[in-house]
Amino acid sequence: QVQLQESGPGLVKPSETLSLTCTVSGGSISGYFWTWIRQPPGKGLDWIGFIHFTGSTDYNPSLRSRVTMSVDTSKNQFSLKMSSVTAADTAVYYCARLGFCSGGACLADYWGQGTLVTVSS
Amino acid sequence: EIVLTQSPGTLSLSPGERATLSCRASQSVSSNYLAWYQQKPGQAPRLLIYGASSRATGIPDRFSGSGSGTDFTLSISGLEPEDFAVYHCQQYTTSPRTFGQGTKLEIK
Repeated sequence: QVQLQESGPGLVKPSETLSLTCTVSGGSISGYFWTWIRQPPGKGLDWIGFIHFTGSTDYNPSLRSRVTMSVDTSKNQFSLKMSSVTAADTAVYYCARLGFCSGGACLADYWGQGTLVTVSS
Repeated sequence: EIVLTQSPGTLSLSPGERATLSCRASQSVSSNYLAWYQQKPGQAPRLLIYGASSRATGIPDRFSGSGSGTDFTLSISGLEPEDFAVYHCQQYTTSPRTFGQGTKLEIK
């Protein structure tokens, strides 16, 4: 059974960089796309972007200037960095595997439990 | 960017009733690449429907999706207590892969 676990600071100061890592267990990171999605408290889901195990990426244009994703196949991990954060970036951050593929497009099938990141001084 | 608008924001129904949730797109969702997710408090979303009308693995047949182009519907027949949750639609035809704002299905 594939499991994903987000890790990283739960509190980040405004203007600093948010850094999260997603560790994949029970399966290989190779062969898949991996995604980050966030959910501000009481609000809907916000797609941040995805990364292929080879390192190719696609980011939400609204966040592209601040977001960097990377993958470490040797550790079976992928990561998210978001710079210059503000209170508007406070959210539960989910990592997920884009492993449910049909017709050439893939959806998230396995998700982490989510981690709350609060931006506050 | 394709904007998805879900309605209603909140739907109050009783167990056994039928729920109809709407997701309208600002432009056509090609190949009907529209998905529905269910999310319960404190949990990650769970994929219910993909390709607008196909049920994901293990999803009961009381859940059904329909629609094409810009108008999509998720129907739940014979509501069970465990169906009361928040439902999100997502288009995955173009980047960014946008979500609707969600519909909360609550017990009346």
